[in-house]
Amino acid sequence: QVQMQESGPGLVKPSETLSLTCAVSGGSIASSSYCWAWLRQPPGKGLEWVGSMYYRGSTYYNPSLKSRVTISVDTSKTQFFLKLTAVTAADTAVYYCARHVGEWFGEVISPTKWFDPWGQGILVTVSS
Amino acid sequence: QSVVTQPPSASGTPGQRVTISCSGSSSNIGSNTVNWYQQRPGTAPKLLIYMNDQRPSGVPDRFSGSKSGTSASLAISGLQSADEADYYCGTWDDSLNGVLFGGGTKLTVL
Repeated sequence: QVQMQESGPGLVKPSETLSLTCAVSGGSIASSSYCWAWLRQPPGKGLEWVGSMYYRGSTYYNPSLKSRVTISVDTSKTQFFLKLTAVTAADTAVYYCARHVGEWFGEVISPTKWFDPWGQGILVTVSS
Repeated sequence: QSVVTQPPSASGTPGQRVTISCSGSSSNIGSNTVNWYQQRPGTAPKLLIYMNDQRPSGVPDRFSGSKSGTSASLAISGLQSADEADYYCGTWDDSLNGVLFGGGTKLTVL
């Protein structure tokens, strides 16, 4: 049974870079069926998709965050990462990692399906 | 337009049946499947329904999903106090080339 666990700093200063890690256990990131995703939820608000990545390198980002977001995977294929640059108070949120079911269109996978499972989430506050 | 809309709140008494709607457009719900997530207070979201009407293993059959055109619905029958949670619909949007969530519906069991 796949499990996800987020880790990283809980406090980031404005204009700096937010960096989070998601550890995947019970399964391999190098799967042809899944992408790996980050989502976030500002306090008291709804869910927002940040982006998703296929282990071979294809990435899909929320257009509203695309210029600031990078999702990557490590070579051992058990962790993936989120970097969000130039953060402001608006980036304060609980950040979740999740497995994202994909759909193949020819030789391209698109992360068009559901998220399951989710990590427990990590609160990141942007403040000086 | 890349927006998916849910009512902000819903309520029912124990044993009742409630439905939560999710309204979109041709670029999202109209051309892609809908998923539903349950988020109890202080916890991470959990997959409740996928591909419009499919229940993951372990989800009671009191929960059901449906889709018609550019709208989808989640129905909960035999309402229980444990069902008190926020419910989110999510889908892919072809214009956005990304995932959209509805704003969430807070379900209160009276």
